[in-house]
This record gives sequence, structure tokens and C-alpha cells, in this order.
Amino acid sequence: DAGITQSPRHKVTETGTPVTLRCHQTENHRYMYWYRQDPGHGLRLIHYSYGVKDTDKGEVSDGYSVSRSKTEDFLLTLESATSSQTSVYFCAITASGNTIYFGEGSWLTVV
Amino acid sequence: QKEVEQDPGPLSVPEGAIVSLNCTYSNSAFQYFMWYRQYSRKGPELLMYTYSSGNKEDGRFTAQVDKSSKYISLFIRDSQPSDSATYLCAMSFLNTGNQFYFGTGTSLTVIP
Repeated sequence: DAGITQSPRHKVTETGTPVTLRCHQTENHRYMYWYRQDPGHGLRLIHYSYGVKDTDKGEVSDGYSVSRSKTEDFLLTLESATSSQTSVYFCAITASGNTIYFGEGSWLTVV
Repeated sequence: QKEVEQDPGPLSVPEGAIVSLNCTYSNSAFQYFMWYRQYSRKGPELLMYTYSSGNKEDGRFTAQVDKSSKYISLFIRDSQPSDSATYLCAMSFLNTGNQFYFGTGTSLTVIP
């Protein structure tokens, strides 16, 4: 257990509405990540953070923004949700620097 | 060409069989190699990780890295129905905080 909590775990939202997913960690890890997982594509990095207020884009960042105002919280925001953003979202942290640990996932459906 | 290739399966074996799961990769600079197990509607769970080449054993699981062939394997001995899951391989470079490369996963079913 890497001490990662994601919320909400399940959400259904309408196209065009903003959505925020929250990732909370209890162990003060520096690096935090948001991935999405889709059939045929596997895990794809959306954004990551290497410290408070320090974030960078991953390979599929369009339509997503992130914020990290505290070490323990990393927020992923979909400014205007689209059906293509229906997916399962995983938050992750690196502990030793070379292994990555995942949360339980947030299932998002955009209708 | 993807950095990491993994046969998606599905793979179906009888209980007690030895299972071999494999990934190939293209970047010879990868130094850390990981295997994850993911049950349906759950997050990936780290099973094993290996630094550089060689074998690592943990109970019924053995991870093997062949850097000369750019090939990694996960062996499961005496497979159990509870091993039914998707298995993901992952790789990273030495001393990096953000670059992980994942296979797309192999779906395994162990039939009682």
C-alpha cells in the first residue's frame, strides 16, 4: 500500500462540464503522476509533478490541467469534459525513484 | 515502433501450469524493469522489480532480464485461479523521476 487515495472513485458527468479528480498521498513523496488507461493504449501519462507548484506535461495532456499546492495533494482538472475523456484515471507516486506505485483508480464517464 | 512491446493475449492456462509472460523493448538504456498485476477494476500492483540483468525470485514468481536480447520475462509456477489478471511490464532509466514506459498488458486466465 503506497498510501494513495483517489477521489471520487466513480463519476458520471455531462459533456462540457468541468471535473476535478483528487489524489492524496500520506508519505511525502516528491513525484506524483496522473495516467489514463484505455483498451489498446495501455497507461498514458497525462501530467506529472516533481514538487509543490512544479508540474509538467505528459504525452496526452491536451484538455487537462493539474495543480499541486501541497505535497500531499495532486489535482487533475478536465476544464470541459468530452466523451473522449471517458476513461479510468490512475494517480501514481514514485518511492525509491525507479519504481512507481498506483492508486486504485477513478472511473470517469462523460455522457 | 513502441518503446515496449507486450503480447496482449489473452492467455488461458489450466491450474498448476507454468506461465511465461514476456516483453521486448527497444531502448538499451533501460535499467529498471518492473512487473505489475492488475485485477479487473483495480489499480496496477507492483509484483516485482529488477535492476539491470539477471533473475529475481519471489515465491512462485520469477522475473528474468536479458539485456543482450532486450527481453524480459515473468514466470509463474504452479499457477492458481487467483493469478487471473492482466500483467503489465514497465521500464525506466537510472535516476529518473518521470520516465516510465509500460507495455499494454497481457490478460491471463487460470482455469481451475
